[in-house]
Amino acid sequence: ILNVEQSPQSLHVQEGDSTNFTCSFPSSNFYALHWYRWETAKSPEALFVMTLNGDEKKKGRISATLNTKEGYSYLYIKGSQPEDSATYLCAFIIHAGNMLTFGGGTRLMVKP
Amino acid sequence: EAQVTQNPRYLITVTGKKLTVTCSQNMNHEYMSWYRQDPGLGLRQIYYSMNVEVTDKGDVPEGYKVSRKEKRNFPLILESPSPNQTSLYFCASSWGGEQYFGPGTRLTVT
Repeated sequence: ILNVEQSPQSLHVQEGDSTNFTCSFPSSNFYALHWYRWETAKSPEALFVMTLNGDEKKKGRISATLNTKEGYSYLYIKGSQPEDSATYLCAFIIHAGNMLTFGGGTRLMVKP
Repeated sequence: EAQVTQNPRYLITVTGKKLTVTCSQNMNHEYMSWYRQDPGLGLRQIYYSMNVEVTDKGDVPEGYKVSRKEKRNFPLILESPSPNQTSLYFCASSWGGEQYFGPGTRLTVT
């Protein structure tokens, strides 16, 4: 079983704060890393699919970076808003068509 | 509308009574999978399928069966449910990249 770890487990920030969290994964046999946003009572929705070392992706105020050599990805949220409150999941894949292994998630709560 | 549907959305059943949770996608995706979500354990993959008639075990396949007779459907079968299978279940499909998740099925086995 692959070990994918996310930190911190939970995070409370004030509206307007910028924040970031980490996904760590095995650095060998890398194929892809996914980031998902999961709001309470809804289904996870994809944010980013990252495949290349050094990848940087951005969607609005959310961005992500990838370091496959050292086995980590960062997710950044600039100027957090209450609607950013959700659990952010990363998932690691070792080769195409293979199973996804999810991290435990980082639960973000943004206070107005 | 592109979507993944699951039925039922909620189910309370008794130990040992066989049940099937259906999953269907209308995006012509080849890859489909089933996950369960338990507090403190995150999302764990039960089974996945890369194409019709091709299925593979995920992290927690015990007590579950799946079939993939057609591309759009990927039912999850619990032949003899037990209380430790009480969980929130998600089906997902993919073209090989990001996963599209269904709305979830909350199953309680008493």
